[in-house]
Amino acid sequence: EAGVAQSPRYKIIEKRQSVAFWCNPISGHATLYWYQQILGQGPKLLIQFQNNGVVDDSQLPKDRFSAERLKGVDSTLKIQPAKLEDSAVYLCASSTRRDRAGELFFGEGSRLTVL
Amino acid sequence: QQPVQSPQAVILREGEDAVINCSSSKALYSVHWYRQKHGEAPVFLMILLKGGEQKGHDKISASFNEKKQQSSLYLTASQLSYSGTYFCGTEHSGNTPLVFGKGTRLSVIA
Repeated sequence: EAGVAQSPRYKIIEKRQSVAFWCNPISGHATLYWYQQILGQGPKLLIQFQNNGVVDDSQLPKDRFSAERLKGVDSTLKIQPAKLEDSAVYLCASSTRRDRAGELFFGEGSRLTVL
Repeated sequence: QQPVQSPQAVILREGEDAVINCSSSKALYSVHWYRQKHGEAPVFLMILLKGGEQKGHDKISASFNEKKQQSSLYLTASQLSYSGTYFCGTEHSGNTPLVFGKGTRLSVIA
C-alpha cells in the first residue's frame, strides 16, 4: 500500500516569496492533517480536513497560510508571503478515523527554509 | 493545551530500561505515542483510550492514568533501534485536535 506522498521534499525561498506544498494521502483516508514542525519541537497542527471540509484550522495563520483539499483527496498548503519564522518541516498526515484521531500516517515532510 | 514530556533527553546503554512521561493539566480523553527518527516522519506506536489502559508490543509498553492525567511509555531492554525522539499526543475530548508534546530524545549507545 502506498504511503502519504508529499512534494517538494525541500524548498528554499526568500522572505516575502510564496510557496506551495502538495500532499496525496493514503487511498481511502477521509481525514487529512497538515502539521508544522519547527526544529527541536513537536508537530503543531495547522489544519485538519474531513473529506473536503475543514474540521479545525484554529492554529492556521490565516493572514498568510491557506489550504485546500480538492475533491476530498489531494491537498495543498500555501504560504504567502513567507516569513523567516516559517522555516520548518511541513508534515502531511492522513487517517481513517472520523470522530477522533486514530493512527496517523505521516508523509516524509517538506522542509522549508526561508532566507 | 500542549502536554508536558519528561525527561527532555535520555542516554541509555543497550539493554537498559527507560521511562518517558507525558502529563496534562486538563482531563485527557486519549494519549497517543509516536517515535521519530532523525530526518524521518513520525511513526505510530500506540493509542491509549481508557484510564488504566496498558498496551505494548515487543518491549515497548505504555500506561494511561486518567486520574493523574498522565501517561508513561516504558522501554525495556533497549536496543540501538529504539533511538529517536518520542512524542506523546493528547486529546481532551473526541472533538478536540491531537496536540503533541515537545518530545523526548532517546539515544541508545552500544
